[in-house]
Amino acid sequence: NAGVTQTPKFQVLKTGQSMTLQCAQDMNHEYMSWYRQDPGMGLRLIHYSVGAGITDQGEVPNGYNVSRSTTEDFPLRLLSAAPSQTSVYFCASRISGGNTGELFFGEGSRLTVL
Amino acid sequence: GNSVTQMEGPVTLSEEAFLTINCTYTATGYPSLFWYVQYPGEGLQLLLKATKADDKGSNKGFEATYRKETTSFHLEKGSVQVSDSAVYFCALTNTGNQFYFGTGTSLTVIP
Repeated sequence: NAGVTQTPKFQVLKTGQSMTLQCAQDMNHEYMSWYRQDPGMGLRLIHYSVGAGITDQGEVPNGYNVSRSTTEDFPLRLLSAAPSQTSVYFCASRISGGNTGELFFGEGSRLTVL
Repeated sequence: GNSVTQMEGPVTLSEEAFLTINCTYTATGYPSLFWYVQYPGEGLQLLLKATKADDKGSNKGFEATYRKETTSFHLEKGSVQVSDSAVYFCALTNTGNQFYFGTGTSLTVIP
């Protein structure tokens, strides 16, 4: 049972480079989301999606793009990386509907921007 | 707006000590409340949850009660073990689309 799978686990970029963090889930969850985790700040929501073709911004969306073409996949794109985007990124999914279902997290992707 | 405030760590306890990690929240409406745990190098895992006032969530000896009158959801465990060493996050959601997390509390349990 894979759950939520993120790749890559580690990445080093230079300022201005672009990259995509991949996220896939096999639980048939309609809701998927991306968070970043920074020391002393907890987790902050970047973007989320409630189903294929539907995305919305979270608390810190600037500098990131997302799309949702399938239920299983929700990639996060950095078009021009900046040192401020150095962080640990987590993808999470949940069952849609209501507010009682918990988030299921991937293992994280640690990104360093030089 | 919505927000979660956790007691700051780090917290260091001896094995078998009693644990309390405080969590208070600000929210509109009737949020669901969660405690997540993060072990080193891993993602967050759900520890317990409560979805309405006065509910008590429990798991692996941990407990937390949803107190609407004090807007709190404090995490407790009667006797901690070394294996409980981790970072603990309190979180809430109103709609299910946006979760709000506290800053995390690092717990170290020494033998």
